[in-house]
Amino acid sequence: GQSLEQPSEVTAVEGAIVQINCTYQTSGFYGLSWYQQHDGGAPTFLSYNALDGLEETGRFSSFLSRSDSYGYLLLQELQMKDSASYFCAVTGGYQKVTFGIGTKLQVIP
Amino acid sequence: DTAVSQTPKYLVTQMGNDKSIKCEQNLGHDTMYWYKQDSKKFLKIMFSYNNKELIINETVPNRFSPKSPDKAHLNLHINSLELGDSAVYFCASSQEIKAKNIQYFGAGTRLSVL
Repeated sequence: GQSLEQPSEVTAVEGAIVQINCTYQTSGFYGLSWYQQHDGGAPTFLSYNALDGLEETGRFSSFLSRSDSYGYLLLQELQMKDSASYFCAVTGGYQKVTFGIGTKLQVIP
Repeated sequence: DTAVSQTPKYLVTQMGNDKSIKCEQNLGHDTMYWYKQDSKKFLKIMFSYNNKELIINETVPNRFSPKSPDKAHLNLHINSLELGDSAVYFCASSQEIKAKNIQYFGAGTRLSVL
C-alpha cells in the first residue's frame, strides 16, 4: 500500500517563502506530484518529480529525494491568492495516484 | 471548452435513493478516475478505467457501480444512498507519458444525502 504524510496546516506571511514537506511509504513509486485546491474548487496540477532534485516552475519549486522517500513544495513570494490546500501525491503501479491529506496554507498580510 | 466536465454539480437527495453522476473528457486521455473527497478534504481514489477497462477498484461498497461506455466517458451510479455517501465526487482523466501521470479534474459533484 501507499501512505503519505504532510502537515495539516501552515500559515505564512505575504511575500515570504514557505516549504510544505511530504514523506511517503509506497510499494511502487514512479513519481511525486503536487496539486493545489482552492476552497470549493477542483485540484489542479502544480508539479511532478520522478528523479531526485529540484524542479522549478515560476514561483513554485518541488524537490524529491527518492532515497529518503521525501519531497517538498516551495512557494516563493507568497501572494494572498496562494491560500489553498496543497496535496502531495504518489504515482504507483497501474497509474494509481495516492494523495496525502493535504496542507491548508493560509497567507496573511 | 471544458476539458473534464461532470454533471450535476450539486446533488441533494434522500437516503435510499439511487443516483448517477456523469463525466466526460475531451482531452483524448486513455485513463479516467473517480475520487471521493470527504469533509476533511481527504481525496481517495475509488475507481479507474483505462480504455473502458476497469483497472483500479478500491474497497468501495458494491452500491457504487462505475460504467465506461467509451474512453471519453466514465459514469458513476450509486444505489441505496446512505448518509455517509455525502461528499464531493471528482472525476479525473490522465495520459501517462514516460510514467508521468498528471490528473485533470472535473469541477466536482457535491452530493448531500439527507
